[in-house]
Amino acid sequence: KQEVTQIPAALSVPEGENLVLNCSFTDSAIYNLQWFRQDPGKGLTSLLLIQSSQREQTSGRLNASLDKSSGRSTLYIAASQPGDSATYLCAASQGGSQGNLIFGKGTKLSVKP
Amino acid sequence: SQTIHQWPATLVQPVGSPLSLECTVEGTSNPNLYWYRQAAGRGLQLLFYSVGIGQISSEVPQNLSASRPQDRQFILSSKKLLLSDSGFYLCAWLAGPKKLFFGSGTQLSVL
Repeated sequence: KQEVTQIPAALSVPEGENLVLNCSFTDSAIYNLQWFRQDPGKGLTSLLLIQSSQREQTSGRLNASLDKSSGRSTLYIAASQPGDSATYLCAASQGGSQGNLIFGKGTKLSVKP
Repeated sequence: SQTIHQWPATLVQPVGSPLSLECTVEGTSNPNLYWYRQAAGRGLQLLFYSVGIGQISSEVPQNLSASRPQDRQFILSSKKLLLSDSGFYLCAWLAGPKKLFFGSGTQLSVL
């Protein structure tokens, strides 16, 4: 049974700092891995999706990497801004249906101005 | 463009009362639809998914049920709510082979 773990549970950094959020999964037979952002009381916004055959994906100041062999993914945020404050969730998809995602509990990020 | 709507945004219900949460999708046809729940201190958990009208798959045994009466409508229901049903409920649809898009969610508090 796939389990997804995110460390740390919470992170506070000063504005401008580069940071890394970690995600680990127990079953390397994933279809893809996604990173989402969730603002308080809101739905999820998809940030990056990495197919199992890919090593990384980039979007603006965000870069996500995937190492299936070690069961790890990281989300790198460059030059953090207060607007980046949110909870970041990673989710592993197995099999052909991407909707059956296994989520981590998230990392709550606070960027202080 | 495709959009997903969920309502209500917040709901406070007494224990034992019924529940009906609705999700609709616009701008697409025959979507795969999903209900997730986010309970306090826990990760998002898949509750139900549907690949078509009348087709419902349940991922976990629970007090809830789901129905898909129309192609772009997905309903989450309960006959009698429990305290443990409290949480943040999210509807989602599969945008082709690539991404899962989520609605804005319903915060349910059962008192």
